[in-house]
This record gives sequence, structure tokens and C-alpha cells, in this order.
Amino acid sequence: DAGVTQSPTHLIKTRGQQVTLRCSPKSGHDTVSWYQQALGQGPQFIFQYYEEEERQRGNFPDRFSGHQFPNYSSELNVNALLLGDSALYLCASSLADGHQPQHFGDGTRLSIL
Amino acid sequence: AQKITQTQPGMFVQEKEAVTLDCTYDTSDPSYGLFWYKQPSSGEMIFLIYQGSYDQQNATEGRYSLNFQKARKSANLVISASQLGDSAMYFCAMREGYGGSQGNLIFGKGTKLSVKP
Repeated sequence: DAGVTQSPTHLIKTRGQQVTLRCSPKSGHDTVSWYQQALGQGPQFIFQYYEEEERQRGNFPDRFSGHQFPNYSSELNVNALLLGDSALYLCASSLADGHQPQHFGDGTRLSIL
Repeated sequence: AQKITQTQPGMFVQEKEAVTLDCTYDTSDPSYGLFWYKQPSSGEMIFLIYQGSYDQQNATEGRYSLNFQKARKSANLVISASQLGDSAMYFCAMREGYGGSQGNLIFGKGTKLSVKP
């Protein structure tokens, strides 16, 4: 049973560029959440997708956008990259049930030069 | 105000001993869930244990147990018989709301646990 998979593992971009990160949820899961984890910090919630709609959003600018596909996989897009966007981006999947834990992927480490 | 507070940036424990990692939380929502995750240096977040606000008994999962004191708003993680592989960052997280509302997770800043041989 495949867990949450994210791609790519690592990515290097320069300021002003755009990036797309991808996530495939754990089999059977229908909800995908994205988190940003800066070095030495806990993860910060970006947004959550359910039934192809953004259901919740954290305190992140509009440069951060996302999408969920009919197969429940998801993308995170970041435009006009800033140095401060350098972080580990974590995708988590879960069932639409408040009692179930979110399962995380290994993350994408994004470095902005 | 911080919703999840982990006051121990780093902890050391001798192999085979037990260790308690502290977590306090702040919420006015009567329905919430508390989670502990382990993050090794490789980066993946591994789910360890869950406690619901209405659960009467403390949660246990193998060597992990959660000391849930609702009145004090604390949810400490106890790891028994520590192993070298337990060395990692440990995060306490809370989700407010229940049922169909898949609330986002709010994380603390984490505690780095080092197990000494």
C-alpha cells in the first residue's frame, strides 16, 4: 500500500521564478493538505483540498496556489519566488473524517538562490 | 498567542530509559484532536499517536503513550524503553473541530530528542 508520494525530492530555483510541486495521496485518501516547514520550525499550514476545491487556507499570500485532480492528487504552485520561500514543503493526505490522522510524504526541499 | 507550546528545544535520554516530551495547548473549541509526529533527519513526518478531546482514556501505541491532562491543557508524549532509532525531532500538533470539518494541523516548534547509547 503506497503511502503519500511527493515529487521532486529537491529543487533549486532563483528569485522570481515559478515552481510546481506534486503530491499523490495515500491510497483511499481524498483530502490533501500542504505545509511549509522552514529550517528549525514546525510545519505551517498552507491550504487544504477536498473534492477538487480549496477548503481551508492558512496565512499565505496569493502567490501560493494549488489544485486537486479527480484522482485526488494535488499540485502546489508558487509564483514570483522569494528567498524566504526556501523550505521543506510537506504534503499530507487523510480521509474526510475528523478522527483520522494526516499522513505525510517525505517532502520537497526547495532552495531559492 | 501560541496554540501549541513545546518548552523543551532539546532532550537527552539514555538508551532503554523512558522519556517524557512536554506539550501544552490552547483552544476554546471543546472538540479537538491532539497528535504527535516524529521527524527524523531525513525529513518525513511519521504519525505516532492521537488523542481526541472526548476520549476518556489516555492513548497508547506500542512504546508510545500520551499523558492527557485536559484541565491543564497538556498532552505529553511518553516514550518507554528508548532506542537509538528514537533520536529525531518530535512535534506536537492540534486540530480543532471534528467530524466533517477536516481542520488543519497546528504544530509546535518541536523537541529534538537524542538517545545516548
